[in-house]
Amino acid sequence: GAVVSQHPSWVICKSGTSVKIECRSLDFQATTMFWYRQFPKQSLMLMATSNEGSKATYEQGVEKDKFLINHASLTLSTLTVTSAHPEDSSFYICSARDRTTNTGELFFGEGSRLTVL
Amino acid sequence: GEDVEQSLFLSVREGDSSVINCTYTDSSSTYLYWYKQEPGAGLQLLTYIFSNMDMKQDQRLTVLLNKKDKHLSLRIADTQTGDSAIYFCAVSNNNDMRFGAGTRLTVKP
Repeated sequence: GAVVSQHPSWVICKSGTSVKIECRSLDFQATTMFWYRQFPKQSLMLMATSNEGSKATYEQGVEKDKFLINHASLTLSTLTVTSAHPEDSSFYICSARDRTTNTGELFFGEGSRLTVL
Repeated sequence: GEDVEQSLFLSVREGDSSVINCTYTDSSSTYLYWYKQEPGAGLQLLTYIFSNMDMKQDQRLTVLLNKKDKHLSLRIADTQTGDSAIYFCAVSNNNDMRFGAGTRLTVKP
């Protein structure tokens, strides 16, 4: 099946630094990718919808200047957590939809665990 | 927006059947999914069903959809200890996907 790769899987950073997380569709093209955040023992919360070649659409309550999303190609979307703080520590998961199919199925990355010290 | 609700916990004995339930509010939902998440891992798609179907079976998994009541269920036959995980119900209307809070399934030997 289709594969979505996230990198890095784990990242630890100091407070105040910025962290970039990549989401790649390895064997398909994705015009739309989604970014989710998951707190411990909680569900996935949709943060934003990333569209190739245009600005991302952010969910209510998500700071777009804090979580910068870039979808520069049909196989890559990046999420940059700017000036990270401990409360940004979370599990971030991306998903992508294959532009050639009409099943609506989303393929998920394995997630990136961010710990901000 | 979409509201998706699930019960938080389910405990069964090995070999029994597990039934995880999910309700949603948006009647325009077109795709409904079940995902499995093991500790520290990402999501694994188990199965999905189109809104014009009322049942789908895939080996030990059976998905039932009651579109009138907006109720989705996942039945796992002959539940094994390896089935212990969090199961997320998700619904999509082609634009985005919304998740339930997840049901933590515990399988006791």
